[in-house]
Amino acid sequence: GAVVSQHPSWVICKSGTSVKIECRSLDFQATTMFWYRQFPKQSLMLMATSNEGSKATYEQGVEKDKFLINHASLTLSTLTVTSAHPEDSSFYICSAMGGTGSYGYTFGSGTRLTVV
Amino acid sequence: DAKTTQPPSMDCAEGRAANLPCNHSTISGNEYVYWYRQIHSQGPQYIIHGLKNNETNEMASLIITEDRKSSTLILPHATLRDTAVYYCIVSNSGYALNFGKGTSLLVTP
Repeated sequence: GAVVSQHPSWVICKSGTSVKIECRSLDFQATTMFWYRQFPKQSLMLMATSNEGSKATYEQGVEKDKFLINHASLTLSTLTVTSAHPEDSSFYICSAMGGTGSYGYTFGSGTRLTVV
Repeated sequence: DAKTTQPPSMDCAEGRAANLPCNHSTISGNEYVYWYRQIHSQGPQYIIHGLKNNETNEMASLIITEDRKSSTLILPHATLRDTAVYYCIVSNSGYALNFGKGTSLLVTP
C-alpha cells in the first residue's frame, strides 16, 4: 500500500529559529500534497496545497512567508516554519495524493513541534 | 465541500458492532464519502470510502442511503484498539479533505 513518511516525528526549537519538516511518498509519486496543523483537542486544519513544480496554494489566514512549502520532486514536500514562536507549537501533518489503492489520500504520522 | 454532521462522542462495548452515523445532506453528485480515524497523536488512517454503493473492506462497512444524504460506518466487532476519533468527510476526488470535529468513539471492555 501507499506509505507517506514524515520527519521528524517531534522537534523542540527555540523561539526565532526555523524548523523544516519533510514529507516523503515512499512507494508512489505524489503530484499533490497537503499540509495540515492540529491544535490540542481540535480537528485538522488545512494549511496549504502543494503541487510538484509550482507554488503552493495557502488557505485563508495562513501566512505564506512564515510557512514555506517546497514541492520540488514527486516524492518530497517540505514545510519550513520560519521564525517560530510559541504559538506555532502544534501537530503538523502532511497528506499525499496518489499511490496504490483507490482512495488516493495517504497521511503521514505527523510532527509535534514545540517552540520554547 | 459539503459539510458533515456527526455526534461528538459514542461508546461501544468490546466485541459489539459500532455504528457511526454521519449526515451530509448537501452532498453533491460527484462527491465521495470518506471515513478516516485518528488515534491520539498520530496521522489519520484511511478506513473506507464510497460514492453511491455500499462498500466493505477488511476494516469496516459503509452504508450510504439511497438519497446519499447520510451514511453509517460499521465496525463489525469493535476492539479496544478501535478507540479513536472518526471523521466522515465528503469531497470531490482530487481536492483536499476538510476535517470536521468527528466522533470520538470509546470502546469499553
